[in-house]
Amino acid sequence: EVQLLESGGGLVQPGASLRLSCAVSGFTFSSNGMNWVRQAPGKGLEWVSFIGGGGIVTYYADSVKGRFTIARDNSKNTLYLQMNSLRVEDTAVYYCAKFLVAGGSPFDYWGQGALVTVSS
Amino acid sequence: ELVMTQSPATLSVSPGERATLSCRASHSVSSNLAWYQQRPGQAPRLLIYGASTRAAGIPARFSGTGSGTDFTLTISSLQSEDFAVYYCQQYDSWPPLTFGGGTKVEIK
Repeated sequence: EVQLLESGGGLVQPGASLRLSCAVSGFTFSSNGMNWVRQAPGKGLEWVSFIGGGGIVTYYADSVKGRFTIARDNSKNTLYLQMNSLRVEDTAVYYCAKFLVAGGSPFDYWGQGALVTVSS
Repeated sequence: ELVMTQSPATLSVSPGERATLSCRASHSVSSNLAWYQQRPGQAPRLLIYGASTRAAGIPARFSGTGSGTDFTLTISSLQSEDFAVYYCQQYDSWPPLTFGGGTKVEIK
């Protein structure tokens, strides 16, 4: 059974940093591109970042480029999102999500989400 | 950036009735279009990909049509568990991957 479990969310002040983790099981992690998708309270879905299976290829939404860093540890089956210089508008539930197939693709499995609140 | 527009924003339907949701892309996405269902407090769930292929375990009452810029998700006979928010997503031209703003299907 495929499982994705996020952790690391919390309440931080503007300008602070936070690191999210996503522990996965039930599939060959190193063979799959992974993503972070976020959802602000009461709003729609926004793709945040992608990382290829080997950890070399990464992409970011313009809204987080230069502030967030996606990474993975294939030996630990874990995906990360390092979030620096957090802003109030980064407040959201952050989901890790797996691509159905390699490359740009739909997301076939999602974690339960981690709430990040940025507020003074 | 490819912009996805969903309509209507809210759809009021009685149980057992048919629901038709629309999604339009600002440029052609071929058939690289997915639909998701999100119930309150839950993560999104993949329903349809490739514009018309049901994901594993998705009931046959969900169907998707379209290609290019115009797409439709149809729920043939609404069940109580189908009242939720539905999102379309393009994966043809990325980054970024983009979602529509969502359609809320509510009980009439």
